[in-house]
Amino acid sequence: DTGVSQDPRHKITKRGQNVTFRCDPISEHNRLYWYRQTLGQGPEFLTYFQNEAQLEKSRLLSDRFSAERPKGSFSTLEIQRTEQGDSAMYLCASSPDTNTEAFFGQGTRLTVV
Amino acid sequence: AQKITQTQPGMFVQEKEAVTLDCTYDTSDPSYGLFWYKQPSSGEMIFLIYQGSYDQQNATEGRYSLNFQKARKSANLVISASQLGDSAMYFCAMREHYNQGGKLIFGQGTELSVKP
Repeated sequence: DTGVSQDPRHKITKRGQNVTFRCDPISEHNRLYWYRQTLGQGPEFLTYFQNEAQLEKSRLLSDRFSAERPKGSFSTLEIQRTEQGDSAMYLCASSPDTNTEAFFGQGTRLTVV
Repeated sequence: AQKITQTQPGMFVQEKEAVTLDCTYDTSDPSYGLFWYKQPSSGEMIFLIYQGSYDQQNATEGRYSLNFQKARKSANLVISASQLGDSAMYFCAMREHYNQGGKLIFGQGTELSVKP
């Protein structure tokens, strides 16, 4: 296993379009996290899954955002009706439990024009 | 209130010298973990070191050590013998154990530049 994989690495979209990102965690990691990172800031928590259950969502996750993790494996993060303020790096991380470090993917950089 | 504070937006260090990156935190949870991550320009967050709130000794991982001062709520990262490849953003993060989800709370980061 080569670590957490995210696709695409870069996405440019027009305002108002929908976008979907994919994250493949490390095999057998039952916890999966999504973070958003804007320029010059640290990552901010968006949501997390334990297996297929979405157990926590940040207030940052507006109703235009939806995340899924069918079958407890890969996860998708969809943003509907994108706005310029959605431009950011979207990071995915996974961990086997809460007592170990989280392993991050390389992120998807979204630019909304 | 800021839970993780990194007061140094940017730091410079001469190659082969040691450097300390500051981190203070705020929590009322008696059980928590502190992490340092490195983020090169490629974007990936790379785990460096972990300190548990009940750990008696400061954590060390190779050239990285964590100066944990619990009473002061500080968890500074010390990088010894800096290398050019250490140039990157460094983030301090905290996990509060009352939060069963295990999410990380990050500081704003410190950009480290290593001079040859």
